Amino acid sequence: AQTVTQSQPEMSVQEAETVTLSCTYDTSESDYYLFWYKQPPSRQMILVIRQEAYKQQNATENRFSVNFQKAAKSFSLKISDSQLGDAAMYFCAYRRTPSTSGTYKYIFGTGTRLKVLA
Amino acid sequence: KAGVTQTPRYLIKTRGQQVTLSCSPISGHRSVSWYQQTPGQGLQFLFEYFSETQRNKGNFPGRFSGRQFSNSRSEMNVSTLELGDSALYLCASSRDGPYIEQFFGPGTRLTVL
Repeated sequence: AQTVTQSQPEMSVQEAETVTLSCTYDTSESDYYLFWYKQPPSRQMILVIRQEAYKQQNATENRFSVNFQKAAKSFSLKISDSQLGDAAMYFCAYRRTPSTSGTYKYIFGTGTRLKVLA
Repeated sequence: KAGVTQTPRYLIKTRGQQVTLSCSPISGHRSVSWYQQTPGQGLQFLFEYFSETQRNKGNFPGRFSGRQFSNSRSEMNVSTLELGDSALYLCASSRDGPYIEQFFGPGTRLTVL
């Protein structure tokens, strides 16, 4: 069974600094998708960035980038120039590609709470 | 385009009661998934519905059930509530196929006393 592990329950970063959130996963599949979702306090969860496993190039979205190491099954999120609005719970998620049966589901990690210090 | 909506936003129930939560997906989205979020456990997948059929199910007891209507709206029911059922219940909708992002609702905060 696939698993997603976020070993950092909480992290802090100074405003304007860079922080990296860790995520490891376990799967026997070769084709899948990885995601980082952000859940601000009392607000809805939104997608930050996603990575297709077959792509070697790391995904980037403005100040957010990932370090995808497929062999190591590692998928870390780097936030550059941290802003107060980045303070949130961050979830790493895995989703396999649809099999011939067409069924699949998302598997989430336990989350990392990011605090941004002014 | 309206986002995913969930009703009610807050619920307080007592042990043994049952509860029904509702989720309206984004227009055009046929897949609806439900998650239970608790501190320290992250998001636990409950089930997914697609075109009125349960397509995937997580490891939750039979007290947790759901359904989806022809307009893709979904309901989740929990019977015989237990204290441990207190959680934020999130609904997420998506179109089908690969590369598909899930769009989450604001959640229903259920407190069982």
